[in-house]
Amino acid sequence: GAVVSQHPSWVICKSGTSVKIECRSLDFQATTMFWYRQFPKQSLMLMATSNEGSKATYEQGVEKDKFLINHASLTLSTLTVTSAHPEDSSFYICSARAGGEAETQYFGPGTRLLVL
Amino acid sequence: GNSVTQMEGPVTLSEEAFLTINCTYTATGYPSLFWYVQYPGEGLQLLLKATKADDKGSNKGFEATYRKETTSFHLEKGSVQVSDSAVYFCALISIQGAQKLVFGQGTRLTINP
Repeated sequence: GAVVSQHPSWVICKSGTSVKIECRSLDFQATTMFWYRQFPKQSLMLMATSNEGSKATYEQGVEKDKFLINHASLTLSTLTVTSAHPEDSSFYICSARAGGEAETQYFGPGTRLLVL
Repeated sequence: GNSVTQMEGPVTLSEEAFLTINCTYTATGYPSLFWYVQYPGEGLQLLLKATKADDKGSNKGFEATYRKETTSFHLEKGSVQVSDSAVYFCALISIQGAQKLVFGQGTRLTINP
């Protein structure tokens, strides 16, 4: 099946620094990529949807200047957490879709971010 | 808005036990319902789905039936294996409006030999 990778798998950073997370579709071209956030014992919450070559669409309550999303190619999307603070500590998951039905998303393994 | 509520975990069972993980939903109209599974160190994978009332989704011995009258989509397996240990997510997509996946909080399942 289709494979999506994320890098890094975990990261620890100091408060105030920026962190970039990469999401790659390894064996297919992803027209749409999604970024989710998951807090402990809570569900995945969609943060934003990005289409290759266009600006991301952010969900209500998600700060676009805080969470910068770039989908510059059909195989790569990046999420940059700018000026990270401890409350940004979470598990970030991306998914990619080649087209077709909305539920046909292939998920990455997630990136755990800890901001000290 | 749309929401999904799952049985809280963690759930620990012995091999060959019967499994049920409860899932109920709130949605306008008639959503499509899904179960995703996340094995350790891997991304979520679609396990099974049902798109209309009374449909039964099945895969790898797992089953779930779309029950409109009780707004439920409980996951069942008759005899679990150690390899079934994972986190299971119930989810829906509403056919109305933007087609976004809405997830439950996940249930961690551990099967002991």
